[in-house]
Amino acid sequence: GESVGLHLPTLSVQEGDNSIINCAYSNSASDYFIWYKQESGKGPQFIIDIRSNMDKRQGQRVTVLLNKTVKHLSLQIAATQPGDSAVYFCAEVGTGNQFYFGTGTSLTVIP
Amino acid sequence: EPEVTQTPSHQVTQMGQEVILRCVPISNHLYFYWYRQILGQKVEFLVSFYNNEISEKSEIFDDQFSVERPDGSNFTLKIRSTKLEDSAMYFCAVRGQRGGLAKNIQYFGAGTRLSVL
Repeated sequence: GESVGLHLPTLSVQEGDNSIINCAYSNSASDYFIWYKQESGKGPQFIIDIRSNMDKRQGQRVTVLLNKTVKHLSLQIAATQPGDSAVYFCAEVGTGNQFYFGTGTSLTVIP
Repeated sequence: EPEVTQTPSHQVTQMGQEVILRCVPISNHLYFYWYRQILGQKVEFLVSFYNNEISEKSEIFDDQFSVERPDGSNFTLKIRSTKLEDSAMYFCAVRGQRGGLAKNIQYFGAGTRLSVL
């Protein structure tokens, strides 16, 4: 299967600061990527998605950037809040719509 | 409110036993998925299911595993002769519907924790 990985396994930020979570992927043919958040004891929850024909997409307090040249994704969270503490996964979507997840980055927000 | 409910939330079994994990969607869905997450590791794709057939499966999904929709509603994952390394969280997911939720987004249940002793 495709290979999706994250640069940093853990990230700690002060409440109110911006967070940036990075992700690298290997399949240059992928045309769809998704970010998920997983809180302790819960299943992954959809945050935001982006297609390969886009460089940037914004949601509420979150922005996803896609750099196809270096096969890199990032998730930016503005004004990070304690409720943002979770593990964040990027996922590359296969031709059958199956998701190939990265290892995950654990975000801890310090009050 | 979650799109799917998974039961049981925690299943403990002896090695070699068979287990059935259940996924109940709250509305009509056509596409179903099972994923596995070993403790501390990433979520791994197992199988996708559409129109009562397997459409894609990973190398993890070997003959030990099977899926079905026995009554047209519940979606089950059966693991025959469980092994210690089958201990993991198992997540069911459904794809978003046209006209409502986004088509390509998958919505995950809370998972079933399987512990093989």
